[in-house]
Amino acid sequence: SAVLTQPPSMSVAPGQTARITCGGYDVGSKSVHWYQHKAGQAPVLVIYADRDRPSGIPERFSGSISGNTATLTISRVEAGDEADFYCQLWDTSTDEAVFGGGTKLTVL
Amino acid sequence: QVTLRESGPALVKPTQTLTLTCTFSGFSLSTSAMCVSWVRQAPGKALEWLALIDWDDDKWFSSSLKTRLTISKDTPANEVVLTLANMDPVDTATYYCARTLGYGSERRIDHWGQGTLVTVSS
Repeated sequence: SAVLTQPPSMSVAPGQTARITCGGYDVGSKSVHWYQHKAGQAPVLVIYADRDRPSGIPERFSGSISGNTATLTISRVEAGDEADFYCQLWDTSTDEAVFGGGTKLTVL
Repeated sequence: QVTLRESGPALVKPTQTLTLTCTFSGFSLSTSAMCVSWVRQAPGKALEWLALIDWDDDKWFSSSLKTRLTISKDTPANEVVLTLANMDPVDTATYYCARTLGYGSERRIDHWGQGTLVTVSS
């Protein structure tokens, strides 16, 4: 199945911008989704179909695609944004969902 | 309001078969584009997708686990059941069921259960 590569960790100061990347097989031609997973809680969908935001997700969260890399951008980072973030797509060659390895976002 | 809840044993022995039930409300698996997925997370590891069943009773499985997995649904009861055979300590994880929307490569998970921790140990 497809392999999605994310940086294992990232640190950002409050108020700054965090950009989390997700690269790999055919990302540019697939629909990429992003999930925020805080410790002890269920994951939450924050971006779907590359750049769409579910209702209730702040505008500070945005998604983009360039070539074979998807990027989740979190503007004006807050302490409450600290979490693990995962990208996900559907691999049509093997007909299965694939998650990236996750990025632990630390707010300094 | 969409809710999902996982239930099943907290502890299973190696070689046993794990059976987990997802009971949901707020949507019907008879509605087009509605699906339920199972996802797990081993301690300290990433999310791992396991299986999906859709409104039309089509099923998809992780290529690495497909020989051990089954998934089924009881539409009137709003339940989905996952079984994972031949359990091993590496299968120790929190198992989530999750509503999944869409068709084909557009499928996304938009609601998750709280998860249930399953430990494999003799």
